[in-house]
Amino acid sequence: GIQVEQSPPDLILQEGANSTLRCNFSDSVNNLQWFHQNPWGQLINLFYIPSGTKQNGRLSATTVATERYSLLYISSSQTTDSGVYFCAVERGRGSTLGRLYFGRGTQLTVWP
Amino acid sequence: NAGVTQTPKFRILKIGQSMTLQCTQDMNHNYMYWYRQDPGMGLKLIYYSVGAGITDKGEVPNGYNVSRSTTEDFPLRLELAAPSQTSVYFCASSYSEGHYEQYFGPGTRLTVT
Repeated sequence: GIQVEQSPPDLILQEGANSTLRCNFSDSVNNLQWFHQNPWGQLINLFYIPSGTKQNGRLSATTVATERYSLLYISSSQTTDSGVYFCAVERGRGSTLGRLYFGRGTQLTVWP
Repeated sequence: NAGVTQTPKFRILKIGQSMTLQCTQDMNHNYMYWYRQDPGMGLKLIYYSVGAGITDKGEVPNGYNVSRSTTEDFPLRLELAAPSQTSVYFCASSYSEGHYEQYFGPGTRLTVT
């Protein structure tokens, strides 16, 4: 199956700092999503971004599909941004139709 | 819309017991999925369904069964629970494959002792 690698595995920031999370994937994809898993375990959809750039408040994401990577930018981080950020991709063909392949996530801790 | 709902939120099973995890979506999505998340890991696909009456295995199907009799519901059955099935289980749905976003339920935390 497709390999999804996220970096860094852990990130510790002071409130107000900016950060960039990276997701590399090993094959072409139809779908790429970023999720935030909050401390209660809920998976929250951040972006659906198979290509291009999107922004939502302090968060933005860019996917360069031809180079097989995506970046998630968090600006002016807040303590509520803490949690695990997952990148997940879908190839959308054959027997794995619709399946999301997840990376292992980036654990973000924001201190006040 | 409630989105994707799962019950129960938490459950403790003894080895060898069975149970059904419930999943319901009210978005009229055709595709539904069951994933499990082990500590420190991403999610892995157990089973999925592309419509009522159609299901197929994912990456880690052993020890589980599913059925899909309606568009809305996609229950996951654990038979003869084992400690290796201790995990957090997420149900998800999407309109179709490829170019559609997947939405996740809140998860069920299962412990088998």
